[in-house]
Amino acid sequence: EPEVTQTPSHQVTQMGQEVILRCVPISNHLYFYWYRQILGQKVEFLVSFYNNEISEKSEIFDDQFSVERPDGSNFTLKIRSTKLEDSAMYFCASDTTRSYNEQFFGPGTRLTVL
Amino acid sequence: DQQVKQNSPSLSVQEGRISILNCDYTNSMFDYFLWYKKYPAEGPTFLISISSIKDKNEDGRFTVFLNKSAKHLSLHIVPSQPGDSAVYFCAAYHCDVAGNQFYFGTGTSLTVIP
Repeated sequence: EPEVTQTPSHQVTQMGQEVILRCVPISNHLYFYWYRQILGQKVEFLVSFYNNEISEKSEIFDDQFSVERPDGSNFTLKIRSTKLEDSAMYFCASDTTRSYNEQFFGPGTRLTVL
Repeated sequence: DQQVKQNSPSLSVQEGRISILNCDYTNSMFDYFLWYKKYPAEGPTFLISISSIKDKNEDGRFTVFLNKSAKHLSLHIVPSQPGDSAVYFCAAYHCDVAGNQFYFGTGTSLTVIP
């Protein structure tokens, strides 16, 4: 069964460093998403991406965040200058439609900012 | 702001009995409500959804009820099975001129006791 994959599973970085989280969505999907979950808190929507541009973004997704689909298969989330509060699980998801009803989620990347 | 709330962080149910997970929301403009299930170390998995124009949707052992006047929805699992033990997230979204706005609750951890 096709699945969304994410690498790395765990990323540790120093505050102020740049990190890139990688996702490989399901191959025939067209809509891509990033979410995060700070430990013990709710899952939060960050951004949706379609046709090589951002469709929607939340207020969390500020100028330090960016997304890219560099090669038609990977979907990346870059955090330019990490802060302690960026420590969270980051989930990638993909879908064939924009409805959110059939999203497939990856296993997540745990980001720890020291 | 917590537009979607799950006030019970945990729930324990005997195998074979009914599990009822509750969710409240504040935004009457939500178009769709969804339930996701999440196992440890995995991403959320879509479970069932309901449109705001309906009051019930059933899929096998899972039924979602929507009470728009009370801004309340619930997920019923019957009969509950040990494999249902997971964290359940309620989510909601609506479409407006800014695009889709998507919100998750904080989750309810369900334990089904054999």
